[in-house]
Amino acid sequence: KAGVTQTPRYLIKTRGQQVTLSCSPISGHRSVSWYQQTPGQGLQFLFEYFSETQRNKGNFPGRFSGRQFSNSRSEMNVSTLELGDSALYLCASSRGGDGYTFGSGTRLTVV
Amino acid sequence: GENVEQHPSTLSVQEGDSAVIKCTYSDSASNYFPWYKQELGKGPQLIIDIRSNVGEKKDQRIAVTLNKTAKHFSLHITETQPEDSAVYFCAARGRGSTLGRLYFGRGTQLTVWP
Repeated sequence: KAGVTQTPRYLIKTRGQQVTLSCSPISGHRSVSWYQQTPGQGLQFLFEYFSETQRNKGNFPGRFSGRQFSNSRSEMNVSTLELGDSALYLCASSRGGDGYTFGSGTRLTVV
Repeated sequence: GENVEQHPSTLSVQEGDSAVIKCTYSDSASNYFPWYKQELGKGPQLIIDIRSNVGEKKDQRIAVTLNKTAKHFSLHITETQPEDSAVYFCAARGRGSTLGRLYFGRGTQLTVWP
């Protein structure tokens, strides 16, 4: 079966711009969560959505937001980009609470 | 919230030897512990997981053990092969208001020398 699909794979943006990342979960998976991965901070939780509702949110500023659609696809948005937002953004899907499957990620570079 | 610590940060072994990575967690209510393998340029891949009602789980050359009393769990890889070289992450799932959130260790870079 198809895995978790994240688009785009790579992005280069300028400080102050905004960006939208997309995640298509495994068919039948209703939970989608987002993580930021950097060499300095490791894997940090951004937020989790289940059936279009945000269930959890990590300790990130309000510039980071997300949403989930009725087909379980999810997007995350980062506004007013900063250099420190450069990272690998990972999406994971789950049927209901375990067996989280990650996508290959979106590599965001802010210049 | 939960705090997960992972050791060692780097591990080098000879092909055919065993490798052990250890993690501790802080929230005694945590009940689900997955392990991930991440290769360069890829997302983390789930390799094995364990729930708190089980003390040990095996899948071919990979095993995970859990000690709830001591709040630690370990990944054991036997008969290591060069293709096992990667970064390995342990994680614990949150409970209650943080259910659905995984707390990750900082990772272990495993290198298997032929």
